[in-house]
Amino acid sequence: AQKVTQAQTEISVVEKEDVTLDCVYETRDTTYYLFWYKQPPSGELVFLIRRNSFDEQNEISGRYSWNFQKSTSSFNFTITASQVVDSAVYFCALKGGTNAGKSTFGDGTTLTVKP
Amino acid sequence: SAVISQKPSRDICQRGTSLTIQCQVDSQVTMMFWYRQQPGQSLTLIATANQGSEATYESGFVIDKFPISRPNLTFSTLTVSNMSPEDSSIYLCSVGRGDPGELFFGEGSRLTVL
Repeated sequence: AQKVTQAQTEISVVEKEDVTLDCVYETRDTTYYLFWYKQPPSGELVFLIRRNSFDEQNEISGRYSWNFQKSTSSFNFTITASQVVDSAVYFCALKGGTNAGKSTFGDGTTLTVKP
Repeated sequence: SAVISQKPSRDICQRGTSLTIQCQVDSQVTMMFWYRQQPGQSLTLIATANQGSEATYESGFVIDKFPISRPNLTFSTLTVSNMSPEDSSIYLCSVGRGDPGELFFGEGSRLTVL
C-alpha cells in the first residue's frame, strides 16, 4: 500500500518569507515517483515537479526548490521569497512502479501568503 | 502538457437524478483517470479508464454508481448515478504523459446535489 502524509494542513506566511511544505511517503516499491501539484483558488491542478526514486538530486526552479531524501522518505518543497500568487493548496503525490499508473495524493497543504 | 476539456464545469442537480461528465483530451492517451475531490479534501481515485476494456474501480466505488465509458483514445465519460447530497464534489478527469508521467487535469466538474 502507498501513503502520502502532508502533516501541515494550513500555513500562513507574510509575503517575502520563505516557507517549506513537508511531504512524507510510504511505499514498498523499489522504483517510485514523487510529484508536487498546485491547486490555486481557480481550482485547476497544475503539475510542478516529478522526482524519480533513483535520483536524489535536489532541484531548484526559480523560487521553488525540492529536497528529496530517501533515508527519511521525505520530499519537501520550499518556496523562497513567497508571493501572494503562491497562495494555493499544494498536493504531494506518489506513484509506485507497480501500481498500474495510479497516483496517491496527500491531503494537501493550504498556503496563504499575506501581503 | 495535455489540454483536457471537461463538461459541464458545474451543475446543480436534484437528488435521485444522474449526470454524465464528459472529458475530451487533445491527443490520444492510453489511460484516463477519474478523481473525486470532496469539499476541502484531497483527491480520491474513482477509476482508471482504458480504451477497449472495462474501467478498473477503486475500493469503495462501483460501476453501478459511477459507470464509465471510454469509446476512443481521446474521450471518456463518467456518470454519477442516483445522486445524493453526499455526491456533491468536484470530479476531475486526468491523463498521464509518458511513463511514469505526471498527471494533467481538466478544470473539474463541480457538482452540487440538493
